[in-house]
Amino acid sequence: DQQVKQNSPSLSVQEGRISILNCDYTNSMFDYFLWYKKYPAEGPTFLISISSIKDKNEDGRFTVFLNKSAKHLSLHIVPSQPGDSAVYFCAALFQGAQKLVFGQGTRLTINP
Amino acid sequence: DAGVIQSPRHEVTEMGQEVTLRCKPISGHNSLFWYRQTMMRGLELLIYFNNNVPIDDSGMPEDRFSAKMPNASFSTLKIQPSEPRDSAVYFCASSSRRRGEAFFGQGTRLTVV
Repeated sequence: DQQVKQNSPSLSVQEGRISILNCDYTNSMFDYFLWYKKYPAEGPTFLISISSIKDKNEDGRFTVFLNKSAKHLSLHIVPSQPGDSAVYFCAALFQGAQKLVFGQGTRLTINP
Repeated sequence: DAGVIQSPRHEVTEMGQEVTLRCKPISGHNSLFWYRQTMMRGLELLIYFNNNVPIDDSGMPEDRFSAKMPNASFSTLKIQPSEPRDSAVYFCASSSRRRGEAFFGQGTRLTVV
C-alpha cells in the first residue's frame, strides 16, 4: 500500500525552463511534507518542506505547492539548471511522528 | 561534522551468509532510521530508533532482519541468512528535531548472489 505516490518515474526538461514534479498522497493524517534530492552513489539530501497549514513555500528557485483537498503536492524548479538533474523524492510525516514515508522517486534530467 | 557514516559502501555476499551493515549517526542526533531503496518501492523505512530505543520496526521485512543501537553513536542492521531478494541499497539517516529533515548517509549497496 503506497501512501505516497510519484507517478512519473522520469521527467526531461530543457535548461532554463520550469520543472514540475508531482506527488500524491492517500492518508489525510499526513501534516508535513518534504522533498529530497538524490544524486547517484549519494544519500538523499533535504531540499524543501511545507506544513499542511500552508499552501506554498518558496526557497530560491524551488517552490512547493500543497493542495490538501486534492491530496497533491508539487515541486517547481525555475529556472532549471543542469545541476538539478537528480532523483527527487517526495516524503510525508504524520503528526507527532518522525517516520518519513517516501514516494518512489522521479528522475529529472535537465537538457542543455 | 562528517555527516552520517555508513560502512561498508559495497557488500557482495553469497546467499545464506550473514551480512552486517553499520551506521554512525551525526553527533547529537537522537533519532536514527534504516531505509532500503529498491526500484519498485523507492525508499522504504525498515526501522527507526529514538534515544537508542526501537520505536517502529513494522517495516522490517522478515525475522531474518534485525537492528540494534547499543549506544547513541552506533547502529547495525543484520541480515541472517541473506537472500538474493535482499539486494538493494540500504541507507541510514539521523535527525535531531521532531519536524526536522533527516540526514542520510551515502548508503551500502548490498548484492546477494
